[in-house]
Amino acid sequence: DTGVSQNPRHKITKRGQNVTFRCDPISEHNRLYWYRQTLGQGPEFLTYFQNEAQLEKSRLLSDRFSAERPKGSFSTLEIQRTEQGDSAMYLCASSHSNGGQETQYFGPGTRLLVL
Amino acid sequence: AQSVTQLGSHVSVSEGALVLLRCNYSSSVPPYLFWYVQYPNQGLQLLLKYTTGATLVKGINGFEAEFKKSETSFHLTKPSAHMSDAAEYFCAVSDMTGGFKTIFGAGTRLFVKA
Repeated sequence: DTGVSQNPRHKITKRGQNVTFRCDPISEHNRLYWYRQTLGQGPEFLTYFQNEAQLEKSRLLSDRFSAERPKGSFSTLEIQRTEQGDSAMYLCASSHSNGGQETQYFGPGTRLLVL
Repeated sequence: AQSVTQLGSHVSVSEGALVLLRCNYSSSVPPYLFWYVQYPNQGLQLLLKYTTGATLVKGINGFEAEFKKSETSFHLTKPSAHMSDAAEYFCAVSDMTGGFKTIFGAGTRLFVKA
């Protein structure tokens, strides 16, 4: 399977703990996106990378959130001092950009539950 | 700024009946429009997309959508519903002004009755 993969698929943590999620994009894709999806809502944009550069961050991404894509391949999303409001599905998507609109391919998501 | 409104959070149809899921968008420049499907505990799968050219777009699983600029709509249809179509459907928009990030609607859950 050469699609987008995300690990772990599920994470349960206690409030105040740090968590880290990983996304492995489709190998030739230069763009990588993170979205958050809460129950009954569509995905909300968090941030995206072009290669290793983080080009845009949503105001939803508070100081407790940090994302990296160190070598322009896989990406990590870390949440520090988790809060119950962080409970959501975190989706990763990747695409190949040629300067215009491209199709984003989504991974299966990581479902986070903060107790 | 772009936005998407999906009319109806839930739609129920009988197996074999027409499926119509409504989507209206807002964009200050020519938009790119998408429909995605999401099955429980899974990521999103692209059904179809409109970029330029023909306004009637055909996608996978027998779905199609028509871009109507005058109505700012991109409704999704399928002539005959199948039980396997039961899922959550998301309409989305992106354009150059937003750096091509994708803005999603709140979703419409489709129920298919036997």
